[in-house]
Amino acid sequence: QVQLVESGGGLVKPGGSLRLSCAASGFTFSDYYMSWIRQAPGKGLEWVSYISSSGSTIYYADSVKGRFTISRDNAKNSLYLQMNSLRAEDTAVYYCASSIIAVAGNWFDPWGQGTLVTVSS
Amino acid sequence: DIQMTQSPSSLSASVGDRVTITCRASQSISSYLNWYQQKPGKAPKLLIYAASSLQSGVPSRFSGSGSGTDFTLTISSLQPEDFATYYCQQSYSTPRPTFGQGTRLEIK
Repeated sequence: QVQLVESGGGLVKPGGSLRLSCAASGFTFSDYYMSWIRQAPGKGLEWVSYISSSGSTIYYADSVKGRFTISRDNAKNSLYLQMNSLRAEDTAVYYCASSIIAVAGNWFDPWGQGTLVTVSS
Repeated sequence: DIQMTQSPSSLSASVGDRVTITCRASQSISSYLNWYQQKPGKAPKLLIYAASSLQSGVPSRFSGSGSGTDFTLTISSLQPEDFATYYCQQSYSTPRPTFGQGTRLEIK
């Protein structure tokens, strides 16, 4: 079945770095755009970054631009998020999700189970 | 950025009730509106895409409507497993989508 499994979260000090991974299975990963979406504790959802199926097109939310880097390895069916210069406000559960792009719009399905990133001294 | 505002922020209802959740966009987004359900400790799950299309496998008691700036998610007869938080998401401004703040649906 279609599955996305995130890993790499943990506790990091402000200013530190962390690399998240998302392993995909059960679908042709290289055919799909992918996104990272985060959720601060007790808060709503915030889109973070977006990468095209080939990796040639990338977008970031203003809140992470210049600090986070999204990438993918289609040979390994994997998505990554390199997070540098982390701040307390980056504390959140980070989800990877497949981004469905259609004439009717763009939606996220499926989602991984999430990985918690905590930025604290 | 396009702002999405959901109402109410929380709602108490009983099993069997008909429930409606509203999502309003700060500008017209045509039908570029999706709905998700999130249960505690779990990832969001897509329910409705393109304002009114039911995602495969989602029960038919869920329905969506609207276009322009005003949208609704309706659950025709609440089941115990429907108690969760619901989010709308606009994709008019793709690749920079935005979500509503969420509506928490609780058992009365």
